[in-house]
Amino acid sequence: KQEVTQIPAALSVPEGENLVLNCSFTDSAIYNLQWFRQDPGKGLTSLLLIQSSQREQTSGRLNASLDKSSGRSTLYIAASQPGDSATYLCAGGGGATNKLIFGTGTLLAVQP
Amino acid sequence: NAGVTQTPKFQVLKTGQSMTLQCAQDMNHEYMSWYRQDPGMGLRLIHYSVGAGITDQGEVPNGYNVSRSTTEDFPLRLLSAAPSQTSVYFCASTKSVPSGANVLTFGAGSRLTVL
Repeated sequence: KQEVTQIPAALSVPEGENLVLNCSFTDSAIYNLQWFRQDPGKGLTSLLLIQSSQREQTSGRLNASLDKSSGRSTLYIAASQPGDSATYLCAGGGGATNKLIFGTGTLLAVQP
Repeated sequence: NAGVTQTPKFQVLKTGQSMTLQCAQDMNHEYMSWYRQDPGMGLRLIHYSVGAGITDQGEVPNGYNVSRSTTEDFPLRLLSAAPSQTSVYFCASTKSVPSGANVLTFGAGSRLTVL
């Protein structure tokens, strides 16, 4: 059974700092790994998707990597801004199981 | 704008009452799903559907029913609400199944309180 863990649960950084959010999963047979952003009281917005055959994806200041052998994915945020403050969730799985399993998220606060 | 629409946004029920959370998408997505989000538990899959007429259970299906009579709609029914069903519910859809390059698109959520 796929289990997804995110560490740390919460993170506070000063504006401008580069930071890394971690996501680990137990079943390396995932079909993709997705990172989402959730603002308070809102739904989830997809940030990046890494297919199982890929190693990383980039969008603007965001870079996500996937290492299936170690069961880890990281989300790198460069030059953080107060507007990046949100909860970031990763989710893995899909494919034959049709089930995407979510981590519990990392609450990020970027201090101006 | 195209997307996933959930109604209602907020609902308060008494124990034992029934209700239906509505979910509709206009992107012609085959795959639709319902999640619940609870503090410290993350999002957990309740039910999902890979196409009209086809539904299956997720991690936490007990107490919930679904049907998929059309591609666009995927309602979630609570037949006899319990306080343990107090949660925020999200509907999500994608083109086929959540694998490969298929990104899940989420609705804004429905906050349900059962007294």
